[in-house]
Amino acid sequence: DTAVSQTPKYLVTQMGNDKSIKCEQNLGHDTMYWYKQDSKKFLKIMFSYNNKELIINETVPNRFSPKSPDKAHLNLHINSLELGDSAVYFCASSPRLPGHEQFFGPGTRLTVL
Amino acid sequence: GEDVEQSLFLSVREGDSSVINCTYTDSSSTYLYWYKQEPGAGLQLLTYIFSNMDMKQDQRLTVLLNKKDKHLSLRIADTQTGDSAIYFCAEIKNRDDKIIFGKGTRLHILP
Repeated sequence: DTAVSQTPKYLVTQMGNDKSIKCEQNLGHDTMYWYKQDSKKFLKIMFSYNNKELIINETVPNRFSPKSPDKAHLNLHINSLELGDSAVYFCASSPRLPGHEQFFGPGTRLTVL
Repeated sequence: GEDVEQSLFLSVREGDSSVINCTYTDSSSTYLYWYKQEPGAGLQLLTYIFSNMDMKQDQRLTVLLNKKDKHLSLRIADTQTGDSAIYFCAEIKNRDDKIIFGKGTRLHILP
């Protein structure tokens, strides 16, 4: 009965590849987020969707494209992976905007070789 | 800028109180948060405080808010080994609903 789940937990891939990370929440929340946590543990928001609509789109390369097929899912697709994309990516959800009480997934550790 | 500042490390003896401090930037922020991240895990919301409050207590946790100085603190009473984690302070920006996180304070418990 995991609240926010992400797959895969670990992802190791070569530079230049395209990969996706999936996120699902079973909390009935309206809003979902993607965060990037760098090697220094700094968390930065990348995207936010509310009821499948893009709300926040930070300065993120176009290689990153979120997709929300329904309210319970927010997937992150990354094209042409670069070394600097190596990080832990966290998905989160909240009942509504403003997004306080965000519930985080376990994270996906992406390593680009 | 939009930085939330907190010290990176704190060492405390088991049984003592831990106080983790944070300064934030947006005086109009309505919510301020403390998240806990255990090794290899996601973030877990510990507690939050509305900006019209000065203090909030929840069992061993006490949050103090000084709006004038934009200073937030988290006190953990009777610190235990299970409290060893990274603690993130965060504020929500009203104008765009973004949560801005500090860099996290790594709490290390000494025996």
